[in-house]
Amino acid sequence: DTEVTQTPKHLVMGMTNKKSLKCEQHMGHRAMYWYKQKAKKPPELMFVYSYEKLSINESVPSRFSPECPNSSLLNLHLHALQPEDSALYLCASSQDLTGGHGYTFGSGTRLTVV
Amino acid sequence: TQLLEQSPQFLSIQEGENLTVYCNSSSVFSSLQWYRQEPGEGPVLLVTVVTGGEVKKLKRLTFQFGDARKDSSLHITAAQPGDTGLYLCAGAFQAGTALIFGKGTTLSVSS
Repeated sequence: DTEVTQTPKHLVMGMTNKKSLKCEQHMGHRAMYWYKQKAKKPPELMFVYSYEKLSINESVPSRFSPECPNSSLLNLHLHALQPEDSALYLCASSQDLTGGHGYTFGSGTRLTVV
Repeated sequence: TQLLEQSPQFLSIQEGENLTVYCNSSSVFSSLQWYRQEPGEGPVLLVTVVTGGEVKKLKRLTFQFGDARKDSSLHITAAQPGDTGLYLCAGAFQAGTALIFGKGTTLSVSS
C-alpha cells in the first residue's frame, strides 16, 4: 500500500458544527502532516507529527485541533470554523522528519464552511 | 523567514515547445523536491535532489540542483497536453524540518 487515504473527499459544514477530517497511511511512515491549500496557492503547513507526537504547530487557530491516535492515523478536528477556512486540506506522510524520500500526499478534503 | 521563490508563476505554451521553471532561495537547502499537482488532487512527488550539482532525468523532464544548493530548475522538453498542471518546488532548509513550498508554476500546454 503506497497511498495516503483521506476522508471525506468533500465536506460542507456550518460555522457552529463540529466535524473531523481523517487521514490514514500504512507505509510505516513516522511523520505525518496537515497542509491547507487555497485556490491557486501552494500548500501551507499547519501541523507536523513525528512518532505520534506533535512536532510543529504553525500558529494555527485553536478551532483546528489535530490528533494522532496511532502511527497510521491522523485526524483534524474542526469546530466553530469561519468561511475563510474553506480550502483543500491535504494530509501527507514521509518516512521520517528528514523527508529525504519525499512526501506522499492524499487527495485532500475539499472543505466548505457556510 | 526563509523564502522559496519560484518562477514563472504562469506559463502557457503550445505542444512541442520546451520550458524551464526556476526555484531559488537565499538559504541553502538540505534537500529539494519537485511535485506536480492536478486540480482536486494532492501533489505527487516527481523527484528529490540533495547533492549540489545533481542532475536527474524523468523521461522528458530534467531536474538540476545548483552547486551551492540554493537553486533548482525543472526543464521539460517537447511539452505535451498531459504535462498541464501545477508544478511546485519544495525545500527543507534544515534536516528534520517540514517542507516549505514555492508559489507554484501553473503550466498549460495546448495542442
